[in-house]
Amino acid sequence: EVQLVESGGGLVQPGGSLRLSCAASGFTLSSYWMSWVRQAPGKGLEWVANIKQDGSDKRYVDSVKGRFTISRDNAKNSLYLQMNSLRVEDTAVYYCARDSGKSKLDYWGQGTLVTVSS
Amino acid sequence: QSALTQPASVSGSPGQSITISCTGTSSDVGAYHYVSWYQQHPGKAPKLMIYDVSNRPSGVSNRFSGSKSGNTASLTISGLQADDEADYYCSSYRSSSPYVFGTGTKVTVL
Repeated sequence: EVQLVESGGGLVQPGGSLRLSCAASGFTLSSYWMSWVRQAPGKGLEWVANIKQDGSDKRYVDSVKGRFTISRDNAKNSLYLQMNSLRVEDTAVYYCARDSGKSKLDYWGQGTLVTVSS
Repeated sequence: QSALTQPASVSGSPGQSITISCTGTSSDVGAYHYVSWYQQHPGKAPKLMIYDVSNRPSGVSNRFSGSKSGNTASLTISGLQADDEADYYCSSYRSSSPYVFGTGTKVTVL
């Protein structure tokens, strides 16, 4: 059974940093692109970033470029999102998702809440 | 990076069929055969319902179907059931930003 479990969310002040983790099981992580998607409270879904199987290609939504870094450790079956210079508008539930190619996010974690507030 | 346009809400009675539209541009929905639909119940993670415009993942009811014409994709739910009440999001591949989601549609079963 495919499982994705996010962790690392919490309350952080504007300008602060946070690192999210996503533990993958039930499939071979190294065979898939992986994505992070976020959802602000009461709002819609927004794709944030994705990363190629070997980590050699990474893409980001414009609003996080230069502040967020996606990475992975296939040996540890884990995906990460390092978030720096956090802003109030980054407040959201962050989901990791298995990225089976071109708009097909076929498995999602339960999400972790990030709150940016002073 | 503007979102795809969906109606805010759609409603129907049990057993009826409803259709949700998803309007993009010639750079996303109109350009590629890569449109997906996700169902999200309150407080839950999204679930993939349709991919590549009209394909259903294993385990998804055949009451859910997808199509596309020009820059607009559509999700049809037939034989509407109480458990179909949820938010639905479309998504399309866009070369400038691999994924773009729709604004979301709240489906209400009357």
